[in-house]
Amino acid sequence: KQEVTQIPAALSVPEGENLVLNCSFTDSAIYNLQWFRQDPGKGLTSLLLIQSSQREQTSGRLNASLDKSSGRSTLYIAASQPGDSATYLCAVMANAGGTSYGKLTFGQGTILTVHP
Amino acid sequence: NAGVTQTPKFQVLKTGQSMTLQCAQDMNHNSMYWYRQDPGMGLRLIYYSASEGTTDKGEVPNGYNVSRLNKREFSLRLESAAPSQTSVYFCASSERSSGRAEQYFGPGTRLTVT
Repeated sequence: KQEVTQIPAALSVPEGENLVLNCSFTDSAIYNLQWFRQDPGKGLTSLLLIQSSQREQTSGRLNASLDKSSGRSTLYIAASQPGDSATYLCAVMANAGGTSYGKLTFGQGTILTVHP
Repeated sequence: NAGVTQTPKFQVLKTGQSMTLQCAQDMNHNSMYWYRQDPGMGLRLIYYSASEGTTDKGEVPNGYNVSRLNKREFSLRLESAAPSQTSVYFCASSERSSGRAEQYFGPGTRLTVT
């Protein structure tokens, strides 16, 4: 059974810092990995999706990397801002062809606070 | 383009009552999903529908039923609500044939069962 772990559980940083959120998964047979952002009381917003054949994806100040063989992904946020404060969730999708294809397994999330 | 919409946004039920959570997507996606989110447990898959006309159980299906009404709509029914079903429910959709299979989420329904 796939298990996804996110470290740290919470992170508080001053504005302007570069930071790294970590995600690890136990089964490397994945189709893709998605990073989401969730604001309090809101739904999930997809930030980045990395296909299993890719090593990284970038969007603005965000960069996500994937090392499938070691079961790890990192989300790098450059020059953090107070508006980045949210919970960040990592989720992996099981590989195509199996009965679990399409299902996402989520980590518990990292609560990020960026203070001015 | 509204994406994924869910109704209602909030609901309070008494134990034993029934209700249906509605979900619709306008992205022409084949696959749709229902998740629940609980503190300390994260998001867990309840049921999913890989394509119109098919449904399958996820990790926590007990106490729920689903209906894939058409390609756009996927409903979740609680036949006899229990306090353990107090949670935030999210619907999601994706298009697997695109290759990316990126999932898009609705805003959620906050359900309290007393």
